[in-house]
Amino acid sequence: KAGVTQTPRYLIKTRGQQVTLSCSPISGHRSVSWYQQTPGQGLQFLFEYFSETQRNKGNFPGRFSGRQFSNSRSEMNVSTLELGDSALYLCASSTAGGLFYEQYFGPGTRLTVT
Amino acid sequence: AQTVTQSQPEMSVQEAETVTLSCTYDTSENNYYLFWYKQPPSRQMILVIRQEAYKQQNATENRFSVNFQKAAKSFSLKISDSQLGDTAMYFCAFQGGSEKLVFGKGTKLTVNP
Repeated sequence: KAGVTQTPRYLIKTRGQQVTLSCSPISGHRSVSWYQQTPGQGLQFLFEYFSETQRNKGNFPGRFSGRQFSNSRSEMNVSTLELGDSALYLCASSTAGGLFYEQYFGPGTRLTVT
Repeated sequence: AQTVTQSQPEMSVQEAETVTLSCTYDTSENNYYLFWYKQPPSRQMILVIRQEAYKQQNATENRFSVNFQKAAKSFSLKISDSQLGDTAMYFCAFQGGSEKLVFGKGTKLTVNP
């Protein structure tokens, strides 16, 4: 079974631009979570989608948004990029949202904002 | 809000020896899960071991075992017979009623030949 895939793997953007990252979960998984990883803040939860609905949200500004499609693929969008948005963005999928379903992580998208 | 603290930013161990990574957490919940994740250099994060809070028995997975002290809110990871492939960032994580994972800042483990 194919693992979680994320595209693109690397991205360079300029301040003020917007960016869309994509995540394809493992086949059959209906929950997708997004995390931001930075050296200073570590891993922080962004949001989780389950069956096309946002079930959970972390403490990030409204510039960060996401959605999930009927095939469970998910996208996250960051508008008006800031230098501090430079990070590794990880997505993770699981069979179903809830306590406890093992989350399988993708390789991440490395976003650099200049 | 839950917090997870890993007090050892970096650790090193000789191949074949044993190393213990520390993790403490803070929560008022009674039902939760704890995890250790491994993130090798430039590779995907994978689950190493998990512990359900209501289970008193410590979880083990081959060379990996945990020491779960619920009253002390402590959840350490012991790696026995360390191998070069164990070199990675290790993250302790908490999952409670909110269902989102809360991670510690990580411990960078280097296994030396």
